[in-house]
Amino acid sequence: GESVGLHLPTLSVQEGDNSIINCAYSNSASDYFIWYKQESGKGPQFIIDIRSNMDKRQGQRVTVLLNKTVKHLSLQIAATQPGDSAVYFCAELPHKFYFGSGTKLNVKP
Amino acid sequence: DGGITQSPKYLFRKEGQNVTLSCEQNLNHDAMYWYRQDPGQGLRLIYYSQIVNDFQKGDIAEGYSVSREKKESFPLTVTSAQKNPTAFYLCATHSSSPTGNTIYFGEGSWLTVV
Repeated sequence: GESVGLHLPTLSVQEGDNSIINCAYSNSASDYFIWYKQESGKGPQFIIDIRSNMDKRQGQRVTVLLNKTVKHLSLQIAATQPGDSAVYFCAELPHKFYFGSGTKLNVKP
Repeated sequence: DGGITQSPKYLFRKEGQNVTLSCEQNLNHDAMYWYRQDPGQGLRLIYYSQIVNDFQKGDIAEGYSVSREKKESFPLTVTSAQKNPTAFYLCATHSSSPTGNTIYFGEGSWLTVV
């Protein structure tokens, strides 16, 4: 889940479809995970979080799934809208905050 | 309003100059962080501080310096030793409570070398 300056992968979806954004994290001792949304030229905004003792958590139109066996995190966005177009990052805690390299979501009208 | 304030929003630096980016928070959070983001790329940790008068290097600390004399403030100096400083800089704070953790971000500062 640590960013190493790689260029962002891009996911393109049609408006109204569901989106799934994936993230691999590195530290098996991490006990808390957060998804952030970053719009162009702005700071990241909190979307949803999940503790390591959970497998799934739902918010409004978003669901986060955690698979500790393979150290994988996913963010599902239902009925994707043009306003969802942004870069999405996952972050793992505690200690230092490391962010995944991010995924750019493009929503096509 | 509560939050994190970064200033300036846009800053131009001549080669060989040091510049300082300000980060102020009124959230009463102990931990503060500086990240660098290059266009189309992810966030990389420069420095972080978990308590006043203490800070630690992140992954790309070379060419940067910080101080944490007050809980509210965590300024970042980009020195002339940083050869490629043009980037978007983000300051963040961390809150930990029995109900969870989260990171709050400022709106960022754009630094351009001219």
